[in-house]
Amino acid sequence: NAGVTQTPKFQVLKTGQSMTLQCAQDMNHNSMYWYRQDPGMGLRLIYYSASEGTTDKGEVPNGYNVSRLNKREFSLRLESAAPSQTSVYFCASSVRFSTDTQYFGPGTRLTVL
Amino acid sequence: AQKITQTQPGMFVQEKEAVTLDCTYDTSDQSYGLFWYKQPSSGEMIFLIYQGSYDEQNATEGRYSLNFQKARKSANLVISASQLGDSAMYFCAMREGANQGGKLIFGQGTELSVKP
Repeated sequence: NAGVTQTPKFQVLKTGQSMTLQCAQDMNHNSMYWYRQDPGMGLRLIYYSASEGTTDKGEVPNGYNVSRLNKREFSLRLESAAPSQTSVYFCASSVRFSTDTQYFGPGTRLTVL
Repeated sequence: AQKITQTQPGMFVQEKEAVTLDCTYDTSDQSYGLFWYKQPSSGEMIFLIYQGSYDEQNATEGRYSLNFQKARKSANLVISASQLGDSAMYFCAMREGANQGGKLIFGQGTELSVKP
């Protein structure tokens, strides 16, 4: 039982490049989330998917897009990376949207030069 | 305004002693949830404990307990019998009512160092 997995673990991009961060969960959870963590700060929500087929913006969505590919997978895309997007990105999932504990993946450390 | 405030950027505790990590929150919702997560140096976020706003008893999970004082809007984490492996960042987080969705709001964290 792997829980929440994320790929890649590390990535270095040049300004303007694009990339997709992958997230998958094997816990049959309905809701999935993407957060970013900047140095010395707590996590901030980028986008979330309350259930398969729906996505919504969180606190800091600018510069990102998401796709809920199926119940298991939720990807985060940076279309044109900027240095301000240098951060650690966490994916999380929960059984239900409003009432359950979120369980986190190991994170992706992204550097944009 | 900060919704979650953790006023202790860093804390030290001697091994085997208890330590309290402070967390205050701000919400006008009657229904909300409070969480504590641990982030070791390896970077993952580990769920520790949860307290619902309507729960009458303080939550406990092994050596972790949550000192919930609703009127004071505080949700302090108490770690009993500290171990070297408890050295990590600790984050308090809040999920507001159903109308706010499932998103968590995090504090800035407290770095705990356990001394042998």
